[in-house]
Amino acid sequence: NAGVTQTPKFQVLKTGQSMTLQCAQDMNHNSMYWYRQDPGMGLRLIYYSASEGTTDKGEVPNGYNVSRLNKREFSLRLESAAPSQTSVYFCASSEAPTQYFGPGTRLTVL
Amino acid sequence: AQSVAQPEDQVNVAEGNPLTVKCTYSVSGNPYLFWYVQYPNRGLQFLLKYITGDNLVKGSYGFEAEFNKSQTSFHLKKPSALVSDSALYFCAVRNTGFQKLVFGTGTRLLVSP
Repeated sequence: NAGVTQTPKFQVLKTGQSMTLQCAQDMNHNSMYWYRQDPGMGLRLIYYSASEGTTDKGEVPNGYNVSRLNKREFSLRLESAAPSQTSVYFCASSEAPTQYFGPGTRLTVL
Repeated sequence: AQSVAQPEDQVNVAEGNPLTVKCTYSVSGNPYLFWYVQYPNRGLQFLLKYITGDNLVKGSYGFEAEFNKSQTSFHLKKPSALVSDSALYFCAVRNTGFQKLVFGTGTRLLVSP
């Protein structure tokens, strides 16, 4: 039982490049979330998926897209990376009310 | 709108002394309240939650938190701090009908030997 897994752990991109962050959970949870963590700002919600087949914007969705591929997987895509997207990205899943987090992806955009 | 305030960026405490990390919240309706801990270069780990019932909630690693409705607070406490408790602590809130958590900005706890 791995919980929530994320790939990759680290990534460096150049401005304008695209990439997809992968997230999977093996807890059979309905809801999944993507957050970014920046110093002094806590965690901010980018997108979430309340159930398979649905996605909704969070607090900071601009520049991102998501796909809920199936119940297990929820990916986050940066179509054209910008330096402002340098951050640590966390995926989480929940079967309300508690959320469980993955280990994070540290992304640097040069 | 929901919000959480963690008024202290950092809390310093000596090993063996009691610790308190403060959290106040604002939410419409009844709150669900959470504490998470983050160790360096790791994800957030769930510590404890308040949903309903007893105002004193016990969680992992000897931590507890007290829900105070009149003061809209949910402070994290531990009777005797350990050096290994040094980490970043986040308070979070949601209301009963809302799936999204709102996090505070975090409080760094430093426990000195």
